[in-house]
Amino acid sequence: TQLLEQSPQFLSIQEGENLTVYCNSSSVFSSLQWYRQEPGEGPVLLVTVVTGGEVKKLKRLTFQFGDARKDSSLHITAAQPGDTGLYLCAGGKLIFGQGTELSVKP
Amino acid sequence: GAVVSQHPSWVICKSGTSVKIECRSLDFQATTMFWYRQFPKQSLMLMATSNEGSKATYEQGVEKDKFLINHASLTLSTLTVTSAHPEDSSFYICSAKTLRFYNEQFFGPGTRLTVL
Repeated sequence: TQLLEQSPQFLSIQEGENLTVYCNSSSVFSSLQWYRQEPGEGPVLLVTVVTGGEVKKLKRLTFQFGDARKDSSLHITAAQPGDTGLYLCAGGKLIFGQGTELSVKP
Repeated sequence: GAVVSQHPSWVICKSGTSVKIECRSLDFQATTMFWYRQFPKQSLMLMATSNEGSKATYEQGVEKDKFLINHASLTLSTLTVTSAHPEDSSFYICSAKTLRFYNEQFFGPGTRLTVL
């Protein structure tokens, strides 16, 4: 059974700080997706990583896919209050991580 | 592109009644749609996979007679919660998969169901 372990599950930081969210598995995934969800809304796709070792940047967000395609990370530089939300990684047969609830305080 | 809509966005109903939720892919054809349930501050739990023109595939523990899924066209899937009870209150989200590449799913905005 494929599982995705996300950490941390909760993160509360001040505006301007950096943070990293991890998504780990013992299984190999052909691709992993990262989503961001705001309260009362559906998840919005941020990025898909496909190639082992791949790094993708989306403004202040940097996504990395592990060389072995078993893990991924999301790094946010200089977090802003607008980054607040639930971050989810997903892969394989519609498997989601537990989510990381991020709160950025002004 | 790749917009998914859901209707209604919220619904309140009495215990024992049935509620239908629609999921539409607005600008693409979706051979597969998915229905999820989400509790506050938790991740998404897959309920069923809906394939156009065939019966839905339900995840273990999901009652197929309670959560009826119909995928009548390439742009529409419906979830009917039959004889709803307060424990069915939740946030229901659908997603649609495109044939473009890499299993990308695009999610609807969700439907908040409250059963009194």
